[in-house]
Amino acid sequence: AQKVTQAQTEISVVEKEDVTLDCVYETRDTTYYLFWYKQPPSGELVFLIRRNSFDEQNEISGRYSWNFQKSTSSFNFTITASQVVDSAVYFCALILMDSSYKLIFGSGTRLLVRP
Amino acid sequence: EPEVTQTPSHQVTQMGQEVILRCVPISNHLYFYWYRQILGQKVEFLVSFYNNEISEKSEIFDDQFSVERPDGSNFTLKIRSTKLEDSAMYFCASSGYSGGDEKLFFGSGTQLSVL
Repeated sequence: AQKVTQAQTEISVVEKEDVTLDCVYETRDTTYYLFWYKQPPSGELVFLIRRNSFDEQNEISGRYSWNFQKSTSSFNFTITASQVVDSAVYFCALILMDSSYKLIFGSGTRLLVRP
Repeated sequence: EPEVTQTPSHQVTQMGQEVILRCVPISNHLYFYWYRQILGQKVEFLVSFYNNEISEKSEIFDDQFSVERPDGSNFTLKIRSTKLEDSAMYFCASSGYSGGDEKLFFGSGTQLSVL
């Protein structure tokens, strides 16, 4: 069975601090995709990144970066120089490559960035 | 960027009543999904739909639930006799292809409150 664990329930930082959100996944399959979604207070789900299991290169997009390590089954997300607008719930998710879009979500990490 | 549209944004209903949640997926997409998020919890897969039939459903998706694509544009989720525990945010999503090799577009959700 597949599982995604986000052990950090809530994180509070002061603006401009760097923050890392942890994600650990479990699957016996060797082919899968990993995702991060942002859920701001307005409630919608905003896609941030998709990474397939064959590509372990880290990715940077502006202030966001992702560290994918198959050896530890982790796909961590770092926000550099956090801003108040980054305050949201962040979900990590997993999908098997040969399935329909049955995303398996983690329980989410609530990030609060204080001014 | 194309959007998945969900109506209404909020729905309040009495226990035992039927409710229909509506979604307009992105026009050239072929795969449609419903997800659910109980307040403060993770997002959970309910059902996927392709070629006018259910392709996969979760254990949550029991006989009280049904989905339909009544015309070329709408995709609906019906709950036949609502229960208190059906109160949740319901997200519709669509994709052009099955599986993770494609971005999944989520709507902004319908908040269902069962009283």
